Amino acid sequence: AQRVTQPEKLLSVFKGAPVELKCNYSYSGSPELFWYVQYSRQRLQLLLRHISRESIKGFTADLNKGETSFHLKKPFAQEEDSAMYYCALLYSGAGSYQLTFGKGTKLSVIP
Amino acid sequence: KAGVTQTPRYLIKTRGQQVTLSCSPISGHRSVSWYQQTPGQGLQFLFEYFSETQRNKGNFPGRFSGRQFSNSRSEMNVSTLELGDSALYLCASTQTGDADTQYFGPGTRLTVL
Repeated sequence: AQRVTQPEKLLSVFKGAPVELKCNYSYSGSPELFWYVQYSRQRLQLLLRHISRESIKGFTADLNKGETSFHLKKPFAQEEDSAMYYCALLYSGAGSYQLTFGKGTKLSVIP
Repeated sequence: KAGVTQTPRYLIKTRGQQVTLSCSPISGHRSVSWYQQTPGQGLQFLFEYFSETQRNKGNFPGRFSGRQFSNSRSEMNVSTLELGDSALYLCASTQTGDADTQYFGPGTRLTVL
């Protein structure tokens, strides 16, 4: 069965320090992976998707199929990055697609 | 384009009652998915509708049901509410329901007393 694991519930870093939010997945097919972010009192929104290979707000994520990981990275954290981050796996089940989410990591950037 | 909208935003019910939540997808989007978000279980998939048909269902009891109308708006219904149904219910829409990015609404916060 498909599974997404985010091992850290809370991650605190100082402003300007590098950030790495970990995500590991378990899926027998070809994975389609996303990072979603939820800022305080805002809706869940897409941060980035692995197939687009874009850098959004300075964040990047590389899919490592050998390690089944999709870690989110940013070289210099900013205070506005403080939010909940969810890694998600999109897979096909019973004729349609659905997202399986990790439990999320709360990132706190200390000024 | 306007984003995904959900009504009501907040709801308080008592055990045993039933509730109906509504979701209006982004214009032109035909697929609507529903998720339940709780502190303990996180985000869990409920079901997905496309062109008025339920195509996929998560591991939830039959008390959770939904439907989709011809204008792609969707409703979900929870009957015989239990305390554990207290959660944020999110809907998300995509154009086709295939491997597209899902766009989320703000959610409906349901509290069961």
